[in-house]
Amino acid sequence: DVKVTQSSRYLVKRTGEKVFLECVQDMDHENMFWYRQDPGLGLRLIYFSYDVKMKEKGDIPEGYSVSREKKERFSLILESASTNQTSMYLCASSPDGTGPRGYTFGSGTRLTVV
Amino acid sequence: RKEVEQDPGPFNVPEGATVAFNCTYSNSASQSFFWYRQDCRKEPKLLMSVYSSGNEDGRFTAQLNRASQYISLLIRDSKLSDSATYLCVVAAGGGATNKLIFGTGTLLAVQP
Repeated sequence: DVKVTQSSRYLVKRTGEKVFLECVQDMDHENMFWYRQDPGLGLRLIYFSYDVKMKEKGDIPEGYSVSREKKERFSLILESASTNQTSMYLCASSPDGTGPRGYTFGSGTRLTVV
Repeated sequence: RKEVEQDPGPFNVPEGATVAFNCTYSNSASQSFFWYRQDCRKEPKLLMSVYSSGNEDGRFTAQLNRASQYISLLIRDSKLSDSATYLCVVAAGGGATNKLIFGTGTLLAVQP
């Protein structure tokens, strides 16, 4: 089975801190994604990457950046954390984008910014 | 209008019941469709892809109506373990690449 591992299950950070969320997948997938999930709003795409060093903005990229230096690792960076970035962050990978195998998600990082 | 719309529920059904969820999508160019399941405080997991001819996986049946831009999921003989949020998911069309658009989910609670 594909495994997508997110480095932290829970994180508490202070306003203004720079925050790194790490995601690693072990199946050589080309595509990786970062979503945030909030009650009533569902999953919203922050950034995605379809190749090493490539990145594309999703629907809500403001306040975030990403890094993909190696195929298996896709990092989400909160440049200066704010309380409205308190959320569940989900990383996903896929071999074929919107193909029939869909996405495999990590178990999520619940980030609280205080 | 949201790109993918679902009734949030909750749907409260007794064990053994048949329950159906519906979903509509706005982009007629969408080509791929899925149902995901998400348990409380867990990550979404792929339940099944949805094909134009309709498809079945055990107690689960998915249907697609392209003309009406409508997707459905039918669960027969509901089990307690089916209690979860069901997410309708559509591939972004019209030139966007490799992105899935998630609905906000329908909550199912199966009662003993």
